Amino acid sequence: GQQVQQSPASLVLQEGENAELQCNFSSTATQLQWFYQSPGGSLVSLLSNPSGTKHTGRLTSTTVTKERRSSLHISSSQTTDSGTYLCAIVYNAGAKLTFGGGTRLTVRP
Amino acid sequence: DMKVTQMPRYLIKRMGENVLLECGQDMSHETMYWYRQDPGLGLQLIYISYDVDSNSEGDIPKGYRVSRKKREHFSLILDSAKTNQTSVYFCASSLRGTLYFGEGSRLIVV
Repeated sequence: GQQVQQSPASLVLQEGENAELQCNFSSTATQLQWFYQSPGGSLVSLLSNPSGTKHTGRLTSTTVTKERRSSLHISSSQTTDSGTYLCAIVYNAGAKLTFGGGTRLTVRP
Repeated sequence: DMKVTQMPRYLIKRMGENVLLECGQDMSHETMYWYRQDPGLGLQLIYISYDVDSNSEGDIPKGYRVSRKKREHFSLILDSAKTNQTSVYFCASSLRGTLYFGEGSRLIVV
């Protein structure tokens, strides 16, 4: 079936360092979203970026549709950025999001 | 604020009992979802609803059914719960492709 692969599975940074998270998918995506899941479990949408580059705050996402990959760059990481980052794809024209396994980020003070 | 509310947040049931997980949203979003999340498996789609009485199976619908009689409410029903249905269940609604998740319902089946 259609797959979403995220790397690395986990990442440990010192506060202030930058993070680069990767998402690779198996078919052409009509939508791509990045989510943050807090250590407590709540999920929030960070940004939607099916193609090109988008910025919001310290986050930058770049999606290269032809190469079926997207990245999420977190600049100047903070301890409050710790949690799991999930990439989700919609294939074709449907509304079903398929999630990757996530990258667990730990930012140490 | 856009809000998706799940009830109950925590539930312990015995094997074979029925389970009702409820989800409400105050945004009149047409599309709603039920996912479950398990360690090592990530978020898996159980059912998707495109509007009232317009429901479609997701990737793992077996053992579950859903009900959507009002746009604001989407229920997940487990008839005769099994221990492998122990999980955290997330409801979501979407607007123009952006998903809004509830806080999750942790179900333990013993």
